[in-house]
Amino acid sequence: EAGVAQSPRYKIIEKRQSVAFWCNPISGHATLYWYQQILGQGPKLLIQFQNNGVVDDSQLPKDRFSAERLKGVDSTLKIQPAKLEDSAVYLCASSLVGQGSTEQYFGPGTRLTVT
Amino acid sequence: AQSVTQLGSHVSVSEGALVLLRCNYSSSVPPYLFWYVQYPNQGLQLLLKYTSAATLVKGINGFEAEFKKSETSFHLTKPSAHMSDAAEYFCAVTGNSGYSTLTFGKGTMLLVSP
Repeated sequence: EAGVAQSPRYKIIEKRQSVAFWCNPISGHATLYWYQQILGQGPKLLIQFQNNGVVDDSQLPKDRFSAERLKGVDSTLKIQPAKLEDSAVYLCASSLVGQGSTEQYFGPGTRLTVT
Repeated sequence: AQSVTQLGSHVSVSEGALVLLRCNYSSSVPPYLFWYVQYPNQGLQLLLKYTSAATLVKGINGFEAEFKKSETSFHLTKPSAHMSDAAEYFCAVTGNSGYSTLTFGKGTMLLVSP
């Protein structure tokens, strides 16, 4: 079974530029998550999708971050414009359903450096 | 609301020694609790989870954790450390209803020396 795929794996941009990350979840997984992991901290949920609808985006900085999951499969997370504090690893995860006990499967992440 | 506190950002053990990684949680509802492991440049992998069945949970790679409601703890243990256990470990909590979000601790880096 293929795991969660993410691209690119690494990205370096200058502040005020824009960047996009792509995620393809495990086939059949209805729920998709984007997390931000800043160095030295645990992952923080940015947004959760159930199929192509948003379940929770309470911690997404909506003035600069946006995400979509068209057709309920793969997803894109965008930052525009980027700030220095956005430097982090962006993790995508998926699960069969969105209930609390369900295991989340994580991709390898995209490491973003903003200079 | 939920929160997780992991005591010790780094834990060092010798190969063959007991591994103990501490996790305390706070939750306003009965929790589900998880331990994830992260190897360098990789995503997180589930080690084990507590979902209100047995309080002693066994996971992969010889790890286990015990849910203690009275102490609001979910410490991770392994009787004998192996070099391959060196990684970062995250404790996480979520509520047991609806689309509860997963809240992670800050992580504990486990260092294993020969």
